[in-house]
Amino acid sequence: AQTVTQSQPEMSVQEAETVTLSCTYDTSESNYYLFWYKQPPSRQMILVIRQEAYKQQNATENRFSVNFQKAAKSFSLKISDSQLGDTAMYFCAFMLGGTSYGKLTFGQGTILTVHP
Amino acid sequence: DAGVIQSPRHEVTEMGQEVTLRCKPISGHDYLFWYRQTMMRGLELLIYFNNNVPIDDSGMPEDRFSAKMPNASFSTLKIQPSEPRDSAVYFCASSLRFFRETQYFGPGTRLLVL
Repeated sequence: AQTVTQSQPEMSVQEAETVTLSCTYDTSESNYYLFWYKQPPSRQMILVIRQEAYKQQNATENRFSVNFQKAAKSFSLKISDSQLGDTAMYFCAFMLGGTSYGKLTFGQGTILTVHP
Repeated sequence: DAGVIQSPRHEVTEMGQEVTLRCKPISGHDYLFWYRQTMMRGLELLIYFNNNVPIDDSGMPEDRFSAKMPNASFSTLKIQPSEPRDSAVYFCASSLRFFRETQYFGPGTRLLVL
């Protein structure tokens, strides 16, 4: 079974600073996807960024970027120029391709607080 | 275009009562997923459907839980009888068949079983 581990239960950062959230995963498969989801206090699950395992280039979405280290099975999220609206729970998630395509496995989450 | 719609948004019930949660996926999406979020277990997939047919229900915790999708625009998750440990936030999500890596989540239903 695939597992996703987020070792930082809580993080905090000052507004405009940069913060990195860590995630490791375990799989023996080669065809998979990795995600970061944001869950603000409203509870809505929002997809922040996605990485396909076959792509070597790290995904970037505006202020959000990932550091995908496939050999180390590490998938960290970097948030640049942090904003108050970035305050939320962040979940790392994993999805296999093939017959399990569609099944998301989530980490335990990291609570990020951005301070003014 | 409307997103995934869930109802009710909040539900408070007493132990032993039947609870029905509802979901309307995004029009045209042929995959539907039910997730549960608790403090103890985090976010976990319960069941998912393809074209109204259940594909994988291995995450359904026990026989008290059942899910149906009678048509492409409606799904229910039923708990009968409910127990306090079922208290959680239940999310529904939908996606297109060939883009299942992009799932659109509903706002969730917060269930409290007393």
